Amino acid sequence: GQQVMQIPQYQHVQEGEDFTTYCNSSTTLSNIQWYKQRPGGHPVFLIQLVKSGEVKKQKRLTFQFGEAKKNSSLHITATQTTDVGTYFCAGRTSGTYKYIFGTGTRLKVLA
Amino acid sequence: DVKVTQSSRYLVKRTGEKVFLECVQDMDHENMFWYRQDPGLGLRLIYFSYDVKMKEKGDIPEGYSVSREKKERFSLILESASTNQTSMYLCASSPTELEAFFGQGTRLTVV
Repeated sequence: GQQVMQIPQYQHVQEGEDFTTYCNSSTTLSNIQWYKQRPGGHPVFLIQLVKSGEVKKQKRLTFQFGEAKKNSSLHITATQTTDVGTYFCAGRTSGTYKYIFGTGTRLKVLA
Repeated sequence: DVKVTQSSRYLVKRTGEKVFLECVQDMDHENMFWYRQDPGLGLRLIYFSYDVKMKEKGDIPEGYSVSREKKERFSLILESASTNQTSMYLCASSPTELEAFFGQGTRLTVV
């Protein structure tokens, strides 16, 4: 079945450093979503990417969708302590309603 | 604001008990989902529903069943709870192909 892997599983960075998490799917995706889960909280939607090669920015966050629509990345520039949490990607293949979540990347930011 | 409400934040049940986890959404969304979240495994889809009385198995349906008699309510049933079903259970709802809104989660412990 469809699998979505994320790397790294954990990342500790100093405040101000950059951070990137990568998401890889075993199958071509129709679209991909990114979520953030703060410690003790529930996942909250960040963004959705649909087009091949698409790049979207939200302030210090940059999201990319690969040309083959099988991988995606989230890059945070100059991390802050408020960026702490687990970041998940979730991919959907065409013809289905369901999203398969990646394993998540847990980010810790050291002040 | 969209609200997805899970009936309990914490539950402790005995092995062999039948357990009901309830989820209600107030935005008339077609799709509803049940995930379980375990450390290092991300969110794994148990079941989802794309309409009233319609359901599809996710990746780990064994030991679970679901019920969707009304559009706003999606119930997860553990027919005979086992210790390996101790986990965080997350319910989500979404309009088709758009972002998912998650409930606060139910931390279930089976003893």
